[in-house]
Amino acid sequence: EDQVTQSPEALRLQEGESSSLNCSYTVSGLRGLFWYRQDPGKGPEFLFTLYSAGEEKEKERLKATLTKKESFLHITAPKPEDSATYLCAVQARGNEKLTFGTGTRLTIIP
Amino acid sequence: GAVVSQHPSRVICKSGTSVKIECRSLDFQATTMFWYRQFPKQSLMLMATSNEGSKATYEQGVEKDKFLINHASLTLSTLTVTSAHPEDSSFYICSARAAFSSYNEQFFGPGTRLTVL
Repeated sequence: EDQVTQSPEALRLQEGESSSLNCSYTVSGLRGLFWYRQDPGKGPEFLFTLYSAGEEKEKERLKATLTKKESFLHITAPKPEDSATYLCAVQARGNEKLTFGTGTRLTIIP
Repeated sequence: GAVVSQHPSRVICKSGTSVKIECRSLDFQATTMFWYRQFPKQSLMLMATSNEGSKATYEQGVEKDKFLINHASLTLSTLTVTSAHPEDSSFYICSARAAFSSYNEQFFGPGTRLTVL
């Protein structure tokens, strides 16, 4: 069974304080690993897809990296508007289903 | 691009009534749509996968007679919660995978908050 574990559960940072969120996964043949951002009461917003170990993708202050066992979402010099829950999901080969982690609730304090 | 809408955004109903939620892909055709539910501070749990013109595939433990899914066109899927009870109160979110996409991203709607009294 595919599993995704995200840590920490919650993270509070001062504005400008860089950090990383972790997503550990087990999957029977990785097709893709996805990062989403979810604001309270809203649906998830797509951020990145990573397909193979060593791959990296960047968008503004966010950078996602992937190894064979985990993915990191690095946030550099965050701003209060980066506050949200960040969700990680995996998709196995031959399957369209996404298996989600429980997310990291990120709060950036001005 | 890749916008998914849901209607209604919030619904309150009495126990025993049925509620229909619509999910539309606004600027793309979706070969596959997915329905999730999310409880407070928990992750998204897939309920069912639907392909246009065919029967939905339900996840284990999801009652297909209670959660009726219809994927009538490449831009519209509906979820009907039949004979709703308070335990069905949740946040229901749909997603769509684009027909054109060689990637596998799912684009999510804004969600529907269902409260059953």
